[in-house]
Amino acid sequence: ETGVTQSPTHLIKTRGQQVTLRCSSQSGHNTVSWYQQALGQGPQFIFQYYREEENGRGNFPPRFSGLQFPNYSSELNVNALELDDSALYLCASSRGGAGQETQYFGPGTRLLVL
Amino acid sequence: QQQVKQSPQSLIVQKGGISIINCAYENTAFDYFPWYQQFPGKGPALLIAIRPDVSEKKEGRFTISFNKSAKQFSLHIMDSQPGDSATYFCAALKGGSQGNLIFGKGTKLSVKP
Repeated sequence: ETGVTQSPTHLIKTRGQQVTLRCSSQSGHNTVSWYQQALGQGPQFIFQYYREEENGRGNFPPRFSGLQFPNYSSELNVNALELDDSALYLCASSRGGAGQETQYFGPGTRLLVL
Repeated sequence: QQQVKQSPQSLIVQKGGISIINCAYENTAFDYFPWYQQFPGKGPALLIAIRPDVSEKKEGRFTISFNKSAKQFSLHIMDSQPGDSATYFCAALKGGSQGNLIFGKGTKLSVKP
């Protein structure tokens, strides 16, 4: 177990709704990255938060947004849900900074959009 | 454009055998190469990682071999066990890329008793 926790574990939403997913980073880690993993695929990078600011973003539209809090926990928000947003959403925490690339993943939130 | 290509897609190995999974990358700016193991319904767990200044790294039954000139790296699992049955992902990261791990598509390993 990595010490990274995510909530909820499962979620069902309908198209057009909004969703918020939560992540608590491992103790001592100040950086959180979010990934989307479609069924049968590798995770795809959404964005990273470091010191409460977005610090890099993958090829995802602006309706994917996030926050990081002073305790380094993080939220992923997705607006105007689409059917293709159905996936496992993973967060990963790391220490941040040069030479601290190792990312530890949480168990994920399984989102189903109907 | 797939920046990290992983093969095979699936692999069946007998208990006690060697499992070998291969990855190739295109971007020479990548400087960190981890391997993750993922069981159904779980998040990926870091197995072992390597940097391009090292040609091989071993941790227990897991070994990464790295060929910088060929832009290839591989995971060897020695004495494979049924408990190793999982999906394995290779990944790569560019220095200073703000956490953007690029993953391969995964290899589903089944170890038969």
